[in-house]
Amino acid sequence: DAGITQSPRHKVTETGTPVTLRCHQTENHRYMYWYRQDPGHGLRLIHYSYGVKDTDKGEVSDGYSVSRSKTEDFLLTLESATSSQTSVYFCAISENSPNTEAFFGQGTRLTVV
Amino acid sequence: QKEVEQDPGPLSVPEGAIVSLNCTYSNSAFQYFMWYRQYSRKGPELLMYTYSSGNKEDGRFTAQVDKSSKYISLFIRDSQPSDSATYLCAMGSGGGADGLTFGKGTHLIIQP
Repeated sequence: DAGITQSPRHKVTETGTPVTLRCHQTENHRYMYWYRQDPGHGLRLIHYSYGVKDTDKGEVSDGYSVSRSKTEDFLLTLESATSSQTSVYFCAISENSPNTEAFFGQGTRLTVV
Repeated sequence: QKEVEQDPGPLSVPEGAIVSLNCTYSNSAFQYFMWYRQYSRKGPELLMYTYSSGNKEDGRFTAQVDKSSKYISLFIRDSQPSDSATYLCAMGSGGGADGLTFGKGTHLIIQP
């Protein structure tokens, strides 16, 4: 398995609270991504990073922010969690080229009540 | 417009059968094509990665890309119950850094 660790693996939070998910990699890959996976929608890109402090929005970025202060860490923050953000969140990494083979973490299952 | 179509299934076949999984797409900029396998409550696992048109074989798995038809396939030979999973196709253009576009996945069941 690629060296990707997501934390926490499971979280239940209340509507309106901020939540931060962490992705840590040991592969020294340049590109990192956050996806969410929902029934009927598949995997959708939230935000991505192409280097330290270099990030950009993906397809479903509203209500989310990210930060990457070190190569190995990519944080996803839900600024004020809503029930529509109940989902499984996956971090992915890729090495040399964007939009090519990517390796995924095990996911974080988030429930907003 | 990025769009990838994939039949969600479920697709149920007997053990030992040849399985064919397919995706179609509309964006002619896609150059990189991947197949992922995802077991329940696990992360997607990269199975096959191909660039441009043609075939690629790895053990019991063969990935096929036909860019002229905007159609990709994954064949699984001698299917095993352990192959039961959801299979996701994914595509990328290679330009920019904006991630992959995924199909919604096909749920495959191999009956012992």
